[in-house]
Amino acid sequence: AQTVTQSQPEMSVQEAETVTLSCTYDTSESDYYLFWYKQPPSRQMILVIRQEAYKQQNATENRFSVNFQKAAKSFSLKISDSQLGDAAMYFCAYGGGSNYKLTFGKGTLLTVNP
Amino acid sequence: EADIYQTPRYLVIGTGKKITLECSQTMGHDKMYWYQQDPGMELHLIHYSYGVNSTEKGDLSSESTVSRIRTEHFPLTLESARPSHTSQYLCASNEFSGRLNEQFFGPGTRLTVL
Repeated sequence: AQTVTQSQPEMSVQEAETVTLSCTYDTSESDYYLFWYKQPPSRQMILVIRQEAYKQQNATENRFSVNFQKAAKSFSLKISDSQLGDAAMYFCAYGGGSNYKLTFGKGTLLTVNP
Repeated sequence: EADIYQTPRYLVIGTGKKITLECSQTMGHDKMYWYQQDPGMELHLIHYSYGVNSTEKGDLSSESTVSRIRTEHFPLTLESARPSHTSQYLCASNEFSGRLNEQFFGPGTRLTVL
């Protein structure tokens, strides 16, 4: 079974600084997708960024980028120029093969200090 | 934002009451999911459906039941609510699009059982 581990229960960053959230996963599949979701306080969970395992190039979405290390099974999220609105719980998720279900990590609570 | 809706958003009820949490989506997705989110924010899959008249139990045992009579509707029912059912419940959906299995989430229902 696949597992997703987020080793940082909480992180904090100063506004305008850069922060990296860690995620590792375990799988025996070769074809899969990885996701970072954001859940702001009392608000809807939304997708931040996705990475296809067969793509070597790291995904980027504006201020958000990932460092995908397939051999190491590592999938970290970098947030540049952090903003107050980035404060949220961030979940790393794994989706593999024909299994439509996702496996989520336990989440990292990000605080952005002004 | 994704077109997936949950009602009610907040519910406070007494022990022993029967409740139904509603989830509907207008995206035509055939796959839908219910997650229970504990106070530590960890997500637990409790039910899923891959289409009409198809329902399965998730990774976390739950006393709730679900039904899928229409593609767009996936209600969750508790026959006799207990304080241990107090939690946030998130509904999600996705479709088979190539091999991408991104899930879209509803805003959640926060249930308190007194």
